[in-house]
Amino acid sequence: QVVLTQSPSASASLGASVKLTCTLSSGHSSYAIAWHQQQPEKGPRYLMKLNNDGSHTKGDGIPDRFSGSSSGAERHLTISSLQSEDEADYYCQTWGSGIVMFGGGTKLTVL
Amino acid sequence: EVQLVESGGGVVRPGGSLRLSCAASGFTFDEHGMSWVRQAPGKGLEWVSGINWNGDTTTYADSVKGRFTISRDNAKNSLYLQMNSLRAEDTAFYYCARDALEYQVLNYFDYWGQGTLVTVSS
Repeated sequence: QVVLTQSPSASASLGASVKLTCTLSSGHSSYAIAWHQQQPEKGPRYLMKLNNDGSHTKGDGIPDRFSGSSSGAERHLTISSLQSEDEADYYCQTWGSGIVMFGGGTKLTVL
Repeated sequence: EVQLVESGGGVVRPGGSLRLSCAASGFTFDEHGMSWVRQAPGKGLEWVSGINWNGDTTTYADSVKGRFTISRDNAKNSLYLQMNSLRAEDTAFYYCARDALEYQVLNYFDYWGQGTLVTVSS
Protein backbone atom coordinates (compact mmCIF):
# COMPACT_ATOMS: atom_id res chain seq x y z
CA GLN A 1 0.00 0.00 0.00
CA VAL A 2 1.31 3.41 -0.97
CA VAL A 3 2.29 5.85 1.78
CA LEU A 4 2.72 9.61 1.30
CA THR A 5 5.18 11.46 3.53
CA GLN A 6 5.11 15.22 4.13
CA SER A 7 7.07 17.43 6.51
CA PRO A 8 4.73 18.63 9.28
CA SER A 9 5.66 22.28 8.92
CA ALA A 10 7.31 24.86 6.70
CA SER A 11 7.76 28.60 6.80
CA ALA A 12 8.80 31.37 4.46
CA SER A 13 8.63 35.14 4.31
CA LEU A 14 5.98 37.24 2.63
CA GLY A 15 6.92 37.68 -1.04
CA ALA A 16 9.40 34.80 -1.02
CA SER A 17 9.04 31.32 -2.52
CA VAL A 18 8.61 27.98 -0.78
CA LYS A 19 8.82 24.40 -2.01
CA LEU A 20 6.75 21.73 -0.29
CA THR A 21 7.50 18.05 -0.84
CA CYS A 22 5.41 14.89 -0.84
CA THR A 23 7.36 11.63 -1.03
CA LEU A 24 5.86 8.40 -2.34
CA SER A 25 6.83 5.17 -0.62
CA SER A 26 9.20 2.65 -2.19
CA GLY A 27 7.86 0.97 -5.30
CA HIS A 28 5.34 3.71 -6.02
CA SER A 29 7.51 6.38 -7.62
CA SER A 30 5.42 6.40 -10.83
CA TYR A 31 2.23 7.46 -9.09
CA ALA A 32 0.52 10.73 -9.82
CA ILE A 33 -0.67 12.83 -6.89
CA ALA A 34 -2.94 15.78 -6.29
CA TRP A 35 -2.20 18.81 -4.08
CA HIS A 36 -4.92 20.37 -1.95
CA GLN A 37 -4.88 23.54 0.15
CA GLN A 38 -6.88 23.98 3.34
CA GLN A 39 -7.03 27.48 4.77
CA PRO A 40 -7.98 27.85 8.45
CA GLU A 41 -11.59 26.96 9.21
CA LYS A 42 -12.32 26.09 5.57
CA GLY A 43 -12.80 22.97 3.48
CA PRO A 44 -9.97 21.76 1.27
CA ARG A 45 -9.43 23.22 -2.21
CA TYR A 46 -7.92 21.36 -5.12
CA LEU A 47 -4.74 22.97 -6.44
CA MET A 48 -3.38 20.59 -9.06
CA LYS A 49 -2.83 17.06 -10.25
CA LEU A 50 0.89 16.32 -10.65
CA ASN A 51 2.19 13.48 -12.80
CA ASN A 52 5.50 11.67 -12.40
CA ASP A 53 6.93 13.52 -15.42
CA GLY A 54 6.21 16.89 -13.78
CA SER A 55 3.26 17.79 -15.97
CA HIS A 56 0.36 19.17 -13.99
CA THR A 57 -3.30 20.16 -14.32
CA LYS A 58 -4.38 23.04 -12.13
CA GLY A 59 -7.78 23.65 -10.67
CA ASP A 60 -10.09 26.47 -11.65
CA GLY A 61 -8.78 29.87 -10.62
CA ILE A 62 -5.49 28.66 -9.19
CA PRO A 63 -2.92 31.43 -9.69
CA ASP A 64 0.27 30.99 -11.71
CA ARG A 65 2.19 31.43 -8.44
CA PHE A 66 1.42 27.77 -7.73
CA SER A 67 3.43 25.25 -9.73
CA GLY A 68 4.37 21.60 -9.49
CA SER A 69 7.39 19.46 -10.32
CA SER A 70 8.51 15.85 -9.85
CA SER A 71 11.82 14.13 -9.18
CA GLY A 72 11.82 10.38 -8.70
CA ALA A 73 9.48 9.60 -5.83
CA GLU A 74 9.20 13.25 -4.81
CA ARG A 75 6.35 15.51 -5.82
CA HIS A 76 6.85 19.20 -5.21
CA LEU A 77 4.53 22.16 -4.82
CA THR A 78 6.22 25.53 -5.26
CA ILE A 79 4.48 28.71 -4.23
CA SER A 80 6.14 31.92 -5.36
CA SER A 81 5.49 35.52 -4.30
CA LEU A 82 3.99 34.27 -1.03
CA GLN A 83 0.92 36.08 0.22
CA SER A 84 -0.67 36.02 3.64
CA GLU A 85 -3.59 33.96 2.35
CA ASP A 86 -1.18 31.18 1.39
CA GLU A 87 -0.82 30.38 5.08
CA ALA A 88 -2.64 27.07 5.18
CA ASP A 89 -2.29 23.31 5.42
CA TYR A 90 -1.24 21.53 2.24
CA TYR A 91 -2.09 17.89 1.61
CA CYS A 92 -1.01 15.51 -1.11
CA GLN A 93 -3.33 12.73 -2.25
CA THR A 94 -2.93 9.62 -4.35
CA TRP A 95 -5.24 6.80 -5.38
CA GLY A 96 -5.30 3.26 -6.71
CA SER A 97 -6.39 -0.31 -5.94
CA GLY A 98 -9.71 0.86 -4.62
CA ILE A 99 -8.43 3.28 -2.01
CA VAL A 100 -7.39 6.91 -1.64
CA MET A 101 -4.47 7.99 0.52
CA PHE A 102 -3.50 11.37 1.93
CA GLY A 103 -0.20 12.58 3.25
CA GLY A 104 -0.12 13.90 6.81
CA GLY A 105 -0.13 17.50 5.59
CA THR A 106 2.31 20.40 5.83
CA LYS A 107 1.39 23.50 7.79
CA LEU A 108 2.79 26.52 5.96
CA THR A 109 3.46 29.67 7.96
CA VAL A 110 3.99 32.93 6.11
CA LEU A 111 6.30 35.13 8.16
CA GLU B 1 -20.25 26.77 -10.83
CA VAL B 2 -19.71 23.42 -9.13
CA GLN B 3 -21.18 23.31 -5.63
CA LEU B 4 -21.21 20.55 -3.04
CA VAL B 5 -23.22 21.18 0.11
CA GLU B 6 -23.14 18.72 2.99
CA SER B 7 -25.82 18.43 5.66
CA GLY B 8 -26.98 16.06 8.38
CA GLY B 9 -24.19 16.43 10.91
CA GLY B 10 -24.87 16.73 14.61
CA VAL B 11 -24.32 15.22 18.02
CA VAL B 12 -25.03 11.51 18.47
CA ARG B 13 -24.38 9.04 21.27
CA PRO B 14 -21.91 6.17 20.86
CA GLY B 15 -23.61 3.29 19.10
CA GLY B 16 -26.04 5.62 17.39
CA SER B 17 -26.67 6.36 13.72
CA LEU B 18 -26.60 9.38 11.47
CA ARG B 19 -27.17 9.98 7.76
CA LEU B 20 -25.19 12.62 5.91
CA SER B 21 -26.25 14.14 2.61
CA CYS B 22 -24.35 16.03 -0.06
CA ALA B 23 -26.30 18.10 -2.59
CA ALA B 24 -24.44 18.60 -5.86
CA SER B 25 -25.00 21.26 -8.51
CA GLY B 26 -23.23 22.93 -11.41
CA PHE B 27 -22.12 19.75 -13.16
CA THR B 28 -23.49 16.50 -14.59
CA PHE B 29 -23.66 14.52 -11.37
CA ASP B 30 -24.09 11.08 -12.91
CA GLU B 31 -20.81 11.37 -14.83
CA HIS B 32 -18.59 11.49 -11.75
CA GLY B 33 -17.67 9.24 -8.89
CA MET B 34 -17.91 10.78 -5.43
CA SER B 35 -16.24 10.25 -2.07
CA TRP B 36 -16.57 11.11 1.60
CA VAL B 37 -13.45 12.35 3.40
CA ARG B 38 -13.28 13.18 7.10
CA GLN B 39 -11.06 15.25 9.34
CA ALA B 40 -10.94 14.83 13.09
CA PRO B 41 -10.45 18.13 14.96
CA GLY B 42 -6.84 19.26 14.58
CA LYS B 43 -5.92 16.25 12.46
CA GLY B 44 -5.31 15.46 8.79
CA LEU B 45 -7.58 14.23 6.02
CA GLU B 46 -8.80 10.63 5.99
CA TRP B 47 -10.64 9.10 3.03
CA VAL B 48 -13.76 7.26 4.22
CA SER B 49 -15.65 5.88 1.23
CA GLY B 50 -16.13 6.22 -2.52
CA ILE B 51 -18.80 5.36 -5.05
CA ASN B 52 -18.63 5.23 -8.83
CA TRP B 53 -20.77 7.23 -11.23
CA ASN B 54 -23.78 4.88 -11.31
CA GLY B 55 -23.57 3.52 -7.78
CA ASP B 56 -22.73 -0.09 -8.56
CA THR B 57 -19.19 0.07 -7.15
CA THR B 58 -18.44 1.18 -3.60
CA THR B 59 -15.25 1.11 -1.53
CA TYR B 60 -14.55 1.78 2.12
CA ALA B 61 -11.66 2.49 4.44
CA ASP B 62 -11.01 -0.37 6.85
CA SER B 63 -11.88 1.94 9.77
CA VAL B 64 -15.53 2.18 8.68
CA LYS B 65 -16.11 -1.04 6.74
CA GLY B 66 -19.25 -2.80 7.91
CA ARG B 67 -20.55 0.28 9.77
CA PHE B 68 -20.89 2.95 7.06
CA THR B 69 -22.76 2.73 3.74
CA ILE B 70 -22.29 5.14 0.84
CA SER B 71 -25.03 5.61 -1.73
CA ARG B 72 -26.23 8.10 -4.31
CA ASP B 73 -29.43 9.19 -6.03
CA ASN B 74 -28.56 10.54 -9.46
CA ALA B 75 -32.12 11.73 -10.03
CA LYS B 76 -31.71 14.01 -7.00
CA ASN B 77 -28.04 14.90 -7.61
CA SER B 78 -27.32 13.69 -4.10
CA LEU B 79 -24.72 11.63 -2.27
CA TYR B 80 -25.32 9.99 1.09
CA LEU B 81 -23.39 8.38 3.93
CA GLN B 82 -25.30 6.19 6.37
CA MET B 83 -23.25 5.88 9.54
CA ASN B 84 -24.17 3.18 12.07
CA SER B 85 -22.54 1.94 15.29
CA LEU B 86 -20.84 5.30 15.70
CA ARG B 87 -17.80 5.59 17.94
CA ALA B 88 -16.07 8.51 19.60
CA GLU B 89 -13.26 8.22 17.06
CA ASP B 90 -15.74 8.94 14.24
CA THR B 91 -16.00 12.53 15.52
CA ALA B 92 -14.89 14.70 12.60
CA PHE B 93 -15.83 17.11 9.89
CA TYR B 94 -17.14 15.11 6.95
CA TYR B 95 -16.55 16.43 3.43
CA CYS B 96 -17.94 15.21 0.15
CA ALA B 97 -15.59 15.41 -2.81
CA ARG B 98 -15.92 14.92 -6.55
CA ASP B 99 -13.74 12.57 -8.55
CA ALA B 100 -12.12 14.63 -11.30
CA LEU B 101 -12.17 12.02 -14.06
CA GLU B 102 -15.52 11.11 -15.53
CA TYR B 103 -16.72 7.51 -15.50
CA GLN B 104 -13.72 6.28 -13.51
CA VAL B 105 -13.67 4.71 -10.08
CA LEU B 106 -11.74 6.65 -7.45
CA ASN B 107 -9.22 9.18 -8.63
CA TYR B 108 -8.18 12.62 -7.52
CA PHE B 109 -10.67 15.11 -6.10
CA ASP B 110 -11.21 18.40 -7.90
CA TYR B 111 -14.08 19.87 -5.87
CA TRP B 112 -14.88 19.73 -2.18
CA GLY B 113 -17.80 20.73 -0.02
CA GLN B 114 -17.52 22.92 3.08
CA GLY B 115 -18.08 20.03 5.47
CA THR B 116 -20.53 19.00 8.18
CA LEU B 117 -19.50 18.22 11.77
CA VAL B 118 -20.33 14.90 13.39
CA THR B 119 -19.76 14.65 17.13
CA VAL B 120 -20.08 11.27 18.82
CA SER B 121 -20.35 11.79 22.56
CA SER B 122 -22.35 10.57 25.52
